[in-house]
Amino acid sequence: AQSVTQLGSHVSVSEGALVLLRCNYSSSVPPYLFWYVQYPNQGLQLLLKYTTGATLVKGINGFEAEFKKSETSFHLTKPSAHMSDAAEYFCAVSDTGDMRFGAGTRLTVKP
Amino acid sequence: KAGVTQTPRYLIKTRGQQVTLSCSPISGHRSVSWYQQTPGQGLQFLFEYFSETQRNKGNFPGRFSGRQFSNSRSEMNVSTLELGDSALYLCASSSLAGSSYEQYFGPGTRLTVT
Repeated sequence: AQSVTQLGSHVSVSEGALVLLRCNYSSSVPPYLFWYVQYPNQGLQLLLKYTTGATLVKGINGFEAEFKKSETSFHLTKPSAHMSDAAEYFCAVSDTGDMRFGAGTRLTVKP
Repeated sequence: KAGVTQTPRYLIKTRGQQVTLSCSPISGHRSVSWYQQTPGQGLQFLFEYFSETQRNKGNFPGRFSGRQFSNSRSEMNVSTLELGDSALYLCASSSLAGSSYEQYFGPGTRLTVT
């Protein structure tokens, strides 16, 4: 069965600094991988997804993620953090028909 | 296009009661999935419906059930509520079955059981 591990439940960066949120997955077949963002009192919004093809995936709001099969990773990055990026981020994997989410990483952006 | 809507947004129930939550997917989407989100357990998959049929089910007791109507609207029902059922219940819709496709989430229904 597929699973996701997000390293670090809380990440704090300064405005303008690099954002790196880590995600490792396990899957018995080539997975579909997703990053979602959740703002307070809201549902989840899709940032980006990897299905097949190019391993570097670009998403909304300047985020991107790279699928590394050898490392079973799908880390999310953004070159320069903005105050509006403060939210909770979820990595998710799907290979058997249902989606499994990581525990989430809360991103704080300091002015 | 209007997004996924969920009603009600907030609900307070007493232990032992039952509750029904509603989800209207994006127009044209035929797949609806439900998730439970709690601080302790995170996001957990409840079930997925496609064309009125349950395709997948998560590891939840039989007190949790759902259905989908011909217009793709979905309801989930929780009977004999327990304190641990307090959570944010999220609904997500997709144009195709199976969660390899993009899911669009509603704002959720926050259920508090007292």
